[in-house]
Amino acid sequence: KQEVTQIPAALSVPEGENLVLNCSFTDSAIYNLQWFRQDPGKGLTSLLLIQSSQREQTSGRLNASLDKSSGRSTLYIAASQPGDSATYLCAVAYGQNFVFGPGTRLSVLP
Amino acid sequence: EAGVTQSPTHLIKTRGQQATLRCSPISGHTSVYWYQQALGLGLQFLLWYDEGEERNRGNFPPRFSGRQFPNYSSELNVNALELEDSALYLCASSFDRVEQYFGPGTRLTVT
Repeated sequence: KQEVTQIPAALSVPEGENLVLNCSFTDSAIYNLQWFRQDPGKGLTSLLLIQSSQREQTSGRLNASLDKSSGRSTLYIAASQPGDSATYLCAVAYGQNFVFGPGTRLSVLP
Repeated sequence: EAGVTQSPTHLIKTRGQQATLRCSPISGHTSVYWYQQALGLGLQFLLWYDEGEERNRGNFPPRFSGRQFPNYSSELNVNALELEDSALYLCASSFDRVEQYFGPGTRLTVT
């Protein structure tokens, strides 16, 4: 069964800290992996997409890495800001089957 | 460029009724995906439409159905509503079936 888990479930950090969010998947035969953020009661905003052939992607203060052999992806957020507070979801694509993790709820305190 | 739009924003129905949710994809996107996000649960894949055809469906009963129109907009229909159908329903579109762009969602409340 294709499952995606995320650790930690929740995280609270002071502003300015660098942090790492983790995503694990059971089936390594992925097509791609995408990181999203979701604000309360809202839709998802795409942050980064990593193709199965890639090792990492960067956008501004965000860096996502992918290690298919170990079934893991990490999202690194540098110099966190209160505006980064949201739930972060990873989604693994197996062909046209998308499996989402439960998310990590991040609070960045001013 | 306009993003994915969904209507209505909120929908309140009673048990046994039918609900219809609508989604307009980004211009040029031919694929539409529907997801259910119940309170405290992760996103669950519902349906995928591409070029007017249903291509895949998640583990949901047949009372969840939909369609895609020639202009690639889509409708999700939920028949015989149950209390546990209360959730945020998200629509996403894609032009390459790789990257998905999400709409703001429709909050369905079943009383």
